[in-house]
Amino acid sequence: EAGVTQFPSHSVIEKGQTVTLRCDPISGHDNLYWYRRVMGKEIKFLLHFVKESKQDESGMPNNRFLAERTGGTYSTLKVQPAELEDSGVYFCASSRRQGTEAFFGQGTRLTVV
Amino acid sequence: AQSVTQLDSHVSVSEGTPVLLRCNYSSSYSPSLFWYVQHPNKGLQLLLKYTSAATLVKGINGFEAEFKKSETSFHLTKPSAHMSDAAEYFCVVSDRGGGSQGNLIFGKGTKLSVKP
Repeated sequence: EAGVTQFPSHSVIEKGQTVTLRCDPISGHDNLYWYRRVMGKEIKFLLHFVKESKQDESGMPNNRFLAERTGGTYSTLKVQPAELEDSGVYFCASSRRQGTEAFFGQGTRLTVV
Repeated sequence: AQSVTQLDSHVSVSEGTPVLLRCNYSSSYSPSLFWYVQHPNKGLQLLLKYTSAATLVKGINGFEAEFKKSETSFHLTKPSAHMSDAAEYFCVVSDRGGGSQGNLIFGKGTKLSVKP
């Protein structure tokens, strides 16, 4: 069984540009989570999808971030326009049912210069 | 509100010696606690979880953690370190109790180095 897959593994963009991160959860997992680790800080929750619906987006930092999960399969996280403080590692996780173990991807390292 | 504090940002041990990674938690109800590990260029992997069934929790790769309510601690231990244990370890509390894994609240992480 394939694990959680994230694309790209690394991305370097200029301030003001747009970047889209993708997460493919484990097949059959309805729950999908995005987390972020900014340099030197804790890993922090961004949002939670149940199938295609946003269950909780309380961790999204501002309206420059847009997450989607059309069809309840893979998810994208778009940052537009990117700012320097958006640099960090973005993790995706999925779980079969809410409350069960979440499996994490390797993360996408985003660098905004 | 739930939170965790990892008391050491970096721990260095020699191969074959015991490992102790410290974590204190704060929770308004019976907490769900976890330890995750991240090896270089790998995803986060669940080591073990506290579900309130037993205070001493055994995980993978010989790690275990003891839940101590009186001390609000959930320290991670291993009797004998191996070179492959070198990684970053995260103490995590869930925003829901009872061993259920809701939205996760992470500590800052402890980097473990293992010297030959």
